[in-house]
Amino acid sequence: QLQLQESGPGLVRPSETLSLTCTVSGGSISSNNYYWGWIRQSPGKGLEWIGTIYYSGSTYYNPSLKSRLTMSVDTSKNHFSLRLSSVTAADTAVYYCARSPRPTTASDSSPYLRAFDVWGQGTMVTVSS
Amino acid sequence: VLTQSPGTLSLSPGERATLSCRASQSVSSRFLAWYQQKPGQVPRLLMYGASSRATGIPDRFSGSGSGTDFTLTISRLEPEDFAVYYCQQYDSSLWTFGQGTKVEIK
Repeated sequence: QLQLQESGPGLVRPSETLSLTCTVSGGSISSNNYYWGWIRQSPGKGLEWIGTIYYSGSTYYNPSLKSRLTMSVDTSKNHFSLRLSSVTAADTAVYYCARSPRPTTASDSSPYLRAFDVWGQGTMVTVSS
Repeated sequence: VLTQSPGTLSLSPGERATLSCRASQSVSSRFLAWYQQKPGQVPRLLMYGASSRATGIPDRFSGSGSGTDFTLTISRLEPEDFAVYYCQQYDSSLWTFGQGTKVEIK
């Protein structure tokens, strides 16, 4: 059974860099069938897609965060990571990692394509001095 | 941009819930999904491909739509269905969530 687990500091100072890692267990991050994504949720607010990465290293970023965002993948450790620079209080949120099934052909009819079907439990990150 | 309406839906158990998700431009129904989130819980995938239920989702949940207009319907609300629902779409290497609709007990 696939599981995702976020880890990283729960408190980050303003203007510093937020760094989180999502460790994948029960499956390989190197599958060509999946993307791996980050989603966040500010307190009392909705879900915001942050970015998505493929095991090859290809990345797709939310344009509103792109200038501050770096995502990476380490296939040897079966994990992927998020770095968000120059954080402010607006970056305070629960950060989730999740899996997104990827079409392997143009006519791929597999279920859950481009949705987020498996989620981590989430980790709360507070930006405060 | 995905716009969900209404923001809040106040209904009683047993009633029918109809939630709307409108896209600012046409999206592929293959890549339109719905999620349910209860307080303090992780979002759960309900529907994918606009109209297919995820594993374990009861058949009182149904989805429909195409182009720019999509609907999630809960035929008869059960107590456990009171939650926030989000639509999500993929287009041109970007994933986007709607702002959510809260279904609350009237």
